[in-house]
Amino acid sequence: AQTVTQSQPEMSVQEAETVTLSCTYDTSESNYYLFWYKQPPSRQMILVIRQEAYKQQNATENRFSVNFQKAAKSFSLKISDSQLGDTAMYFCALQRGGSQGNLIFGKGTKLSVKP
Amino acid sequence: DTEVTQTPKHLVMGMTNKKSLKCEQHMGHRAMYWYKQKAKKPPELMFVYSYEKLSINESVPSRFSPECPNSSLLNLHLHALQPEDSALYLCASSQDWAGRADTQYFGPGTRLTVL
Repeated sequence: AQTVTQSQPEMSVQEAETVTLSCTYDTSESNYYLFWYKQPPSRQMILVIRQEAYKQQNATENRFSVNFQKAAKSFSLKISDSQLGDTAMYFCALQRGGSQGNLIFGKGTKLSVKP
Repeated sequence: DTEVTQTPKHLVMGMTNKKSLKCEQHMGHRAMYWYKQKAKKPPELMFVYSYEKLSINESVPSRFSPECPNSSLLNLHLHALQPEDSALYLCASSQDWAGRADTQYFGPGTRLTVL
């Protein structure tokens, strides 16, 4: 069975500061993908960043970067220079390579960026 | 352009009504998905279409009936719903490489209320 665990239900950060959201996962597959999605209060789920398990290099998208520790099955998201628009629910998700639709979500972390 | 559109944005219906939700994408994706999301919870997969054929049905009650008229459109027909079916219904799409799904892109959702 595949599982995704986000142990921080809620977090807050001051504007311009850096925050790290935690995610651990479990899978027996060797080929898989990991994602962070953001869902602001306006509700549209937006892809933040994606990591292929076979790539050792951590993915980066502007102010968003991940720390992918494959052996530890850890996939944390770092947000640098936090902005008010980063306030949202963040979901970590796992997808098996070679599968259709099998996107396993964590329970989410609600991030509030304070001015 | 990574846009998935959904109509209507909000829908209120009685338990005896018949209504439909619509989803559209023009990214050339060949896999489309319906998810149900309750408040403060992650999305739950309902159906997956691949090349206009239903490939996954996650044991969804028959009062939900999906339809994929063409590669760009996905409908969800609703009939005799229960109040517990009230939720945000999300559509997503992705490339589909011979059964290997790529990153899913989500629409803004339809907020459904069943009275």
